[in-house]
Amino acid sequence: GNSVTQMEGPVTLSEEAFLTINCTYTATGYPSLFWYVQYPGEGLQLLLKATKADDKGSNKGFEATYRKETTSFHLEKGSVQVSDSAVYFCALSVVPNTDKLIFGTGTRLQVFP
Amino acid sequence: DSGVTQTPKHLITATGQRVTLRCSPRSGDLSVYWYQQSLDQGLQFLIQYYNGEERAKGNILERFSAQQFPDLHSELNLSSLELGDSALYFCASSVSSGEQETQYFGPGTRLLVL
Repeated sequence: GNSVTQMEGPVTLSEEAFLTINCTYTATGYPSLFWYVQYPGEGLQLLLKATKADDKGSNKGFEATYRKETTSFHLEKGSVQVSDSAVYFCALSVVPNTDKLIFGTGTRLQVFP
Repeated sequence: DSGVTQTPKHLITATGQRVTLRCSPRSGDLSVYWYQQSLDQGLQFLIQYYNGEERAKGNILERFSAQQFPDLHSELNLSSLELGDSALYFCASSVSSGEQETQYFGPGTRLLVL
């Protein structure tokens, strides 16, 4: 079946550190891949997406590259800020099963000054 | 602000009761999705409607039902509530339907069943 595996959190970093949150997926077909972010007390916001192999999604300094050969979509940021503290969800969507989003378990990021 | 609105923001009720959660999609979006976020199950897809018709069903209990109205707003009805139904319920919308479509999420309704 289709699934997403994310690294366990929390990830604790100092401000300006480099961030990687690992995400791997299993999918039948050709999924689109997404990263969503959930700030404390808020809903989910789309951070970035990639719809085909080798695509790179980027937004607000975050990047992720769709790697078909390793079935991965790792999230990276060169220099994190305290305001990046949130829970990050990797997700996939694949038709023709349905276009529902299948989420990973989420990774909590805590950034300290 | 995603443009998706959900009401109410918080809901506290008792076991055995019935509640209705409401979602208004972004202007122009035809697809509405419902998701449940709980501590033990994580984020799970419940059901999708597209232009008034049910498109896909996920892990939705028989005690739960939903519909999408002609003005495209959607309601999720939860009945015979149990303690385990306590969760954050998200609605999302997208322009149409397809794996490349971006789903925009509302702020959620936090349900507490006592």
